[in-house]
Amino acid sequence: AQKVTQAQTEISVVEKEDVTLDCVYETRDTTYYLFWYKQPPSGELVFLIRRNSFDEQNEISGRYSWNFQKSTSSFNFTITASQVVDSAVYFCALSEARSSSASKIIFGSGTRLSIRP
Amino acid sequence: GAVVSQHPSWVICKSGTSVKIECRSLDFQATTMFWYRQFPKQSLMLMATSNEGSKATYEQGVEKDKFLINHASLTLSTLTVTSAHPEDSSFYICSARRPLGGANTEAFFGQGTRLTVV
Repeated sequence: AQKVTQAQTEISVVEKEDVTLDCVYETRDTTYYLFWYKQPPSGELVFLIRRNSFDEQNEISGRYSWNFQKSTSSFNFTITASQVVDSAVYFCALSEARSSSASKIIFGSGTRLSIRP
Repeated sequence: GAVVSQHPSWVICKSGTSVKIECRSLDFQATTMFWYRQFPKQSLMLMATSNEGSKATYEQGVEKDKFLINHASLTLSTLTVTSAHPEDSSFYICSARRPLGGANTEAFFGQGTRLTVV
């Protein structure tokens, strides 16, 4: 069975601080995708990143970076120099890669991030 | 622009009535679409997988007679909440995966529908 755990329910930091959101996953599949999504108060999901299980390289995109550690089944997300606009709920998610168009995405419980001015 | 479009974005209905939510893939054919439900301050929970031309696959605990899914074309799936009750009030989100070639796909989500049953 697939499972995604985001142990941090809520995080609050002061603007300009760095913050890391943790994600731990479980799957029996050898090939899978990992995702991070941002959900602002409007509710619409904003895609941030997709990572194939074969690619363990860390990725940086502006102030965002992701650390994929297959050995610990973790896919952590770091925001550097946080801004108030980063305040949202962030979801880590997992799907199998086989028969991809029919692969459902399983979400973690989400981390509510609040950035204080 | 949106690749997966969901309509309506919000709806208020009376208890006991039925509500239909549409999910369209705008520039690709989706043989499979997914319906999620999100209660306030909770995660997205998969309700069912909608399969074009065949019956939907429901997750454990989801009543198939209450949440009717129809996927009659390659670009449209509908979710009908029948005999809605206040406890069905929630945020409903659909999703479809667009093939990119090989085994790769890209997942797109609709804007969501906020259902309030009064």
